[in-house]
Amino acid sequence: NAGVTQTPKFRILKIGQSMTLQCTQDMNHNYMYWYRQDPGMGLKLIYYSVGAGITDKGEVPNGYNVSRSTTEDFPLRLELAAPSQTSVYFCASKEGKLFFGSGTQLSVL
Amino acid sequence: TQLLEQSPQFLSIQEGENLTVYCNSSSVFSSLQWYRQEPGEGPVLLVTVVTGGEVKKLKRLTFQFGDARKDSSLHITAAQPGDTGLYLCAGASGTYKYIFGTGTRLKVLA
Repeated sequence: NAGVTQTPKFRILKIGQSMTLQCTQDMNHNYMYWYRQDPGMGLKLIYYSVGAGITDKGEVPNGYNVSRSTTEDFPLRLELAAPSQTSVYFCASKEGKLFFGSGTQLSVL
Repeated sequence: TQLLEQSPQFLSIQEGENLTVYCNSSSVFSSLQWYRQEPGEGPVLLVTVVTGGEVKKLKRLTFQFGDARKDSSLHITAAQPGDTGLYLCAGASGTYKYIFGTGTRLKVLA
């Protein structure tokens, strides 16, 4: 049972580059989330989705985009990477409680 | 904007001591969850409280939801080194939107 799988685990980007953080879950959960966590801090909600084709902004959506074409996948796109986006990114799905992936550590230099 | 403030931000105590972590907001939440996070991993759920005034116990951990459902506390009795980690509260805004607190980093020294 894989749960929530995130790729890649680590990535270094140059300012202005683009990338997609992948997230997939095999639990058939409708609700999925993207959070970012700065060092030693809590999690900030970037975007969330309540089902395929439906997404909405969270607390800190600027600089990010998402799509939800299937129940399983919820990729997060950074179009023009900035140093302020250096963080650890967590994807989660929900069924009663939140199930988290192991995170993607992103550095923008 | 809904905010959840946790206090203290950092806590370093000796094994066997008791401690309380607080989670406060000006907003009402339909439920509140507590998570613990280890380095390099995602948060793991400890408990969910739903009813105002509710108290739940999980071995040496006691969780309380405020009567007005705006605040919560986590009390650990006789802390052990295995309790070390980042403790996060998360408030449910409606059915599916979860807002996390600022976090409390606990270190228990043997």
